[in-house]
Formats: sequence, structure tokens, C-alpha cells
Amino acid sequence: SAVISQKPSRDICQRGTSLTIQCQVDSQVTMMFWYRQQPGQSLTLIATANQGSEATYESGFVIDKFPISRPNLTFSTLTVSNMSPEDSSIYLCSVVLPESNTEAFFGQGTRLTVV
Amino acid sequence: KQEVTQIPAALSVPEGENLVLNCSFTDSAIYNLQWFRQDPGKGLTSLLLIQSSQREQTSGRLNASLDKSSGRSTLYIAASQPGDSATYLCAVKGAGKSTFGDGTTLTVKP
Repeated sequence: SAVISQKPSRDICQRGTSLTIQCQVDSQVTMMFWYRQQPGQSLTLIATANQGSEATYESGFVIDKFPISRPNLTFSTLTVSNMSPEDSSIYLCSVVLPESNTEAFFGQGTRLTVV
Repeated sequence: KQEVTQIPAALSVPEGENLVLNCSFTDSAIYNLQWFRQDPGKGLTSLLLIQSSQREQTSGRLNASLDKSSGRSTLYIAASQPGDSATYLCAVKGAGKSTFGDGTTLTVKP
């Protein structure tokens, strides 16, 4: 299994500012994923972050709004830029372990409120 | 594009009842299906993982089945308890990413 630490667990931010969310894994993983869950909705994949290459964004998400870093095999950050109230969501990072390549593990999430 | 549907959206039962949550998906080319529990304002807790080659998995009072050809999975909860109250999400994993259903919100009344 994998233990994922996400920081911060929650934050309240002013519109127009940016927040960087960190995701730390206790083992090396190739693929890390960032999801968003808006109030009352299910999880939606934002992007896939692979170490050594640029993140791959899903339809409706762009790098300027959600820049992602992946400096090594155990760490990634997601920045929510120029925030608006519509960005209020839970953001979760997820990993797949190399040896299993199937089971997904999730962090506890970052609850973001934009005012 | 994979689409995942969960029925019902909400369910309220008295304590002690057995219940079934349903999940259907449109693309049967999956690696696995996972059931998660989500408590209000919190992250996800993995309950059961069924590989595409498996038919079911059991953990305690939970039993999950998978019929890949028909694109269906069920989560059976036996002898429900108030502590089971949460939102239950199913997720199917394709090449890399997972696609989630909208969840079933379960309330178990004492």
C-alpha cells in the first residue's frame, strides 16, 4: 500500500490569489493524478503528472490555471491559480504503485474555499 | 469515453438491513473496479478492489461483485450500522486514470 500526505488539509483563500497543494508519497511512484470534487459532484480528473515530463491535462483543464510540478518520484504539487469561488472544491491526489499498476490510493484531500 | 453511473443516488435504511448499491459502466475495457467510502468533507477510503479477471471480493460485511461483460458491479452491505452512513463511490480504472460515479449517499438510521 501507499501512504499519501496532502497539505494543506483545508484553506480559505481570497479570490484572485493562488494556492499550492502538496502531495507526498511514502514510496516511489511513476504516475500521480490530481482530482477535483466540486460540491455535490463526483471526482473529476484534472491531470496526470509523470516524473520527468509535463503533466497531461484532461479536457476543460489548462496548465495556466492548474500548473503542476513533479520534481521526483515521491512528490507533486498542484497550484490553483487566480482563484474564483467556482474553484471551491476538494482536491485530491492519487497514486498507482509500480508493482500493482492497478490499485489507486488517495490522499485525504485539500478542502479549498474561495471567498 | 467511459461513463460510470451509480444507482440509487441516495438510500436510507433502518439499522440491521442488508442493502445493495449498484454501479454500471459503459466501457468494459477496464483494469479493475474499486469501491470507496467518503465521509463528509473528507477524502476517500478504499473498501474493495476487484481486478478485471475477478468476479467478487469480500471484506467483513462487504461483498462486491463484478460482471465486466455487462458493465455492472454491486456492493452488498450486510447488517448495516449507523457507522456505515457515508457516500459510496465506485471507480473504474482504464489506462492510467480512474473514472468515478456520482456516488450513493447512504444513511443508516438507528
